[in-house]
Amino acid sequence: KAGVTQTPRYLIKTRGQQVTLSCSPISGHRSVSWYQQTPGQGLQFLFEYFSETQRNKGNFPGRFSGRQFSNSRSEMNVSTLELGDSALYLCASSLGTRNTGELFFGEGSRLTVL
Amino acid sequence: GENVEQHPSTLSVQEGDSAVIKCTYSDSASNYFPWYKQELGKGPQLIIDIRSNVGEKKDQRIAVTLNKTAKHFSLHITETQPEDSAVYFCAAVPGDSSYKLIFGSGTRLLVRP
Repeated sequence: KAGVTQTPRYLIKTRGQQVTLSCSPISGHRSVSWYQQTPGQGLQFLFEYFSETQRNKGNFPGRFSGRQFSNSRSEMNVSTLELGDSALYLCASSLGTRNTGELFFGEGSRLTVL
Repeated sequence: GENVEQHPSTLSVQEGDSAVIKCTYSDSASNYFPWYKQELGKGPQLIIDIRSNVGEKKDQRIAVTLNKTAKHFSLHITETQPEDSAVYFCAAVPGDSSYKLIFGSGTRLLVRP
């Protein structure tokens, strides 16, 4: 069974631009989470969606947003990019039922902001 | 909110030796503690997990122990092999949410052949 697919894998943007990242979860998984990974801050939770509803949100500014579609695919958007937004953005999927816990991560989208 | 601290940040061992990575957490209501392995250019992969009603769990060469009173948990890898070289992350699910993970800062493990 196919794993979590993230596109694009690499992208370069300039400050002030916006970016949209896409995530296709494992078939049958209804929960999609997003994490930001940087050398300085490590892995930080951005938000989680289940059945098109955001259930949880991390401590990121409003420039970071996301959504989930009826087929469980998810997108996240970052507007007005800043240099500090350069990071690996990881998507993870799970069944989404309470206390299952196990997340399956994609390989990430590496964003560089110049 | 929940905070997870992880030590050491780097660990170098000889092939065949054991490796131990330790984490502490702050939220006494946290109930699920997974460990992830991240290889270069890949996303983290779950290698073992433990729930708060269990003190120890083992899977072949890896084991995890949990001390709820002290609020710490540890990963033990025995008979290390070069392919164990990677970055390892501990994590905790806060008591107020089952839908997010709070990660430790990571341990870079190097197994010398």
